[in-house]
Amino acid sequence: ETGVTQTPRHLVMGMTNKKSLKCEQHLGHNAMYWYKQSAKKPLELMFVYSLEERVENNSVPSRFSPECPNSSHLFLHLHTLQPEDSALYLCASSQDFRQPYNEQFFGPGTRLTVL
Amino acid sequence: GQNIDQPTEMTATEGAIVQINCTYQTSGFNGLFWYQQHAGEAPTFLSYNVLDGLEEKGRFSSFLSRSKGYSYLLLKELQMKDSASYLCAYTGGGNKLTFGTGTQLKVEL
Repeated sequence: ETGVTQTPRHLVMGMTNKKSLKCEQHLGHNAMYWYKQSAKKPLELMFVYSLEERVENNSVPSRFSPECPNSSHLFLHLHTLQPEDSALYLCASSQDFRQPYNEQFFGPGTRLTVL
Repeated sequence: GQNIDQPTEMTATEGAIVQINCTYQTSGFNGLFWYQQHAGEAPTFLSYNVLDGLEEKGRFSSFLSRSKGYSYLLLKELQMKDSASYLCAYTGGGNKLTFGTGTQLKVEL
């Protein structure tokens, strides 16, 4: 595997379900990101982890819970979601969060549908 | 509100040149990124501008004017495969990106 991978690619869940999204980067990067992409809206940054420490939490509802067990893996735990949470969830990584010029590498995303 | 703006859609002809504009307003600015995103795929990096001026990379060039809060992406010799969404994003503190809504470019024969 190369680059940034995400599983599953598609997920359909009910509002009472609990599910998790997984992201893995094979680039040796120190920073990982979760973004939400909805139709007609900009990519919204949700969470940032730098060296396994959460450094950014953009007023995301508590029904989204991130976890970063090591610098290569990032999870997004989902619980009692709402239909408006249906979106494409993208994971990204970069070499160093402190450097503004670092390119972010994105995974293919998980298409989430909440019924 | 949204402080980074780009057109929603553009259409151009194969072989032509197209310019996609992006304007932004922010008190903390480090640099401006352009990403390309094909439908159903991940965004991929195209360019990064930190200084004023034009950066050329093959068929793609990107321009930045920090004083005007303005950037553009120039695509030359358009090909059908260039049909995609083009996202501009600025960095303020660290590697935190603020994205525009993206410009959906359609290349026609």
